[in-house]
Amino acid sequence: DSGVTQTPKHLITATGQRVTLRCSPRSGDLSVYWYQQSLDQGLQFLIQYYNGEERAKGNILERFSAQQFPDLHSELNLSSLELGDSALYFCASSVTGTALNTEAFFGQGTRLTVV
Amino acid sequence: KNEVEQSPQNLTAQEGEFITINCSYSVGISALHWLQQHPGGGIVSLFMLSSGKKKHGRLIATINIQEKHSSLHITASHPRDSAVYICAVRYYGGSQGNLIFGKGTKLSVKP
Repeated sequence: DSGVTQTPKHLITATGQRVTLRCSPRSGDLSVYWYQQSLDQGLQFLIQYYNGEERAKGNILERFSAQQFPDLHSELNLSSLELGDSALYFCASSVTGTALNTEAFFGQGTRLTVV
Repeated sequence: KNEVEQSPQNLTAQEGEFITINCSYSVGISALHWLQQHPGGGIVSLFMLSSGKKKHGRLIATINIQEKHSSLHITASHPRDSAVYICAVRYYGGSQGNLIFGKGTKLSVKP
């Protein structure tokens, strides 16, 4: 158990809908990272938050947004969903915000299926 | 273009064999990670390297900064090692937290 909790584990929704994925980092970790793993693109970095503020952005679509709350949990919001958004979404956390040069701890992922 | 190449893509081994998975990258990096993804989908971080060699149980990871190459070795492989092994790097100048991932090596260890 990495100590990073993601909910829900599975999510099935229709095209055009909006969903929210939740991540609770390990106790004491200030940084949260979101990644998308699709069959054709593999794993891709989406966005990082550190202590409530956006720190870095990767290949995140404009339809997607994220935030980190004062208790350090994070939510990834996906809207106007398309079939191609079906993927595994991972969250990881680390102690520092100065990039993932420290050890990363991954959650179990949320499997999103858009039908 | 910053790329991470892994080889082989697929690997089948007999229990007890010594296994090597390779990872090459194109420009200078600040860190390289080896990750293990189980059939259920969960990801476990195995190693983070910036130089030299690290060992944990039957797993050994090495990195050659000059050659831009890393290897993950598994000694005395076991069916429970069956998983996808993913190499990921953070390039110098990349935004913080922005890991570039290889496509993974799918390992199957037969009893």
